[in-house]
Amino acid sequence: EIVLTQSPGTLSLSPGERATLSCRASQSVNSNFLAWYQQKPGQSPRFLIYGASIRAAGTPDRFSGSGSGTDFTLTISRLEPEDFAVYYCQHYGNSPPWTFGQGTKVEIK
Amino acid sequence: EVQLVESGGGLVQPGGSLRLSCAASGFALSNYAMNWVRQAPGKGLEWISYISSGGTTMYYADSVKGRFSISRDNAKNSLYLQMNSLRDEDTAVYFCVGGVHPVVGWGQGTLVTVSS
Repeated sequence: EIVLTQSPGTLSLSPGERATLSCRASQSVNSNFLAWYQQKPGQSPRFLIYGASIRAAGTPDRFSGSGSGTDFTLTISRLEPEDFAVYYCQHYGNSPPWTFGQGTKVEIK
Repeated sequence: EVQLVESGGGLVQPGGSLRLSCAASGFALSNYAMNWVRQAPGKGLEWISYISSGGTTMYYADSVKGRFSISRDNAKNSLYLQMNSLRDEDTAVYFCVGGVHPVVGWGQGTLVTVSS
């Protein structure tokens, strides 16, 4: 089973600042099958990024994903008020279980 | 517009059973693999099951293997999760998720509470 470790647990930033979220896998993720989600309280997760770097339909271009192998990053170039939320990474593809990271909370400083 | 609507959640005693349903609209379910993901109160997301578009391949998380069964009826545009031998730790909101690479949508979730 691939274990995904997200860091930091909480990121305290101000609107307009850049956010950098890390997701590290315990073993290499096949074909970069790595996704990122955003979740706000009381809502379903919102699909942001797949294939490590491909923005899903409707994802603003201030969100970007990068990385390969075992190290992946979600970057929010300039935080908007609506971006404060919890972010999860997930691997998928050929090796179930398709685990999620434990999440990174981006909060207003 | 893609819509996924889960139903069938509720309160059940430990050891009991429930069958969750997910009704899809706005897209052809038959073209997409589907997943179930759950979230315990105040906790993170846990993937629990996958079914291929044709229904021939299924995967399960170890935590539910042997107790839960995923199925689909493409003619009815529906996905199901049969949950047996329920435990306290199965208490969660259960989401159906359409597609894999990419995901096309998430439902709003249905709450399952396992308690005596």
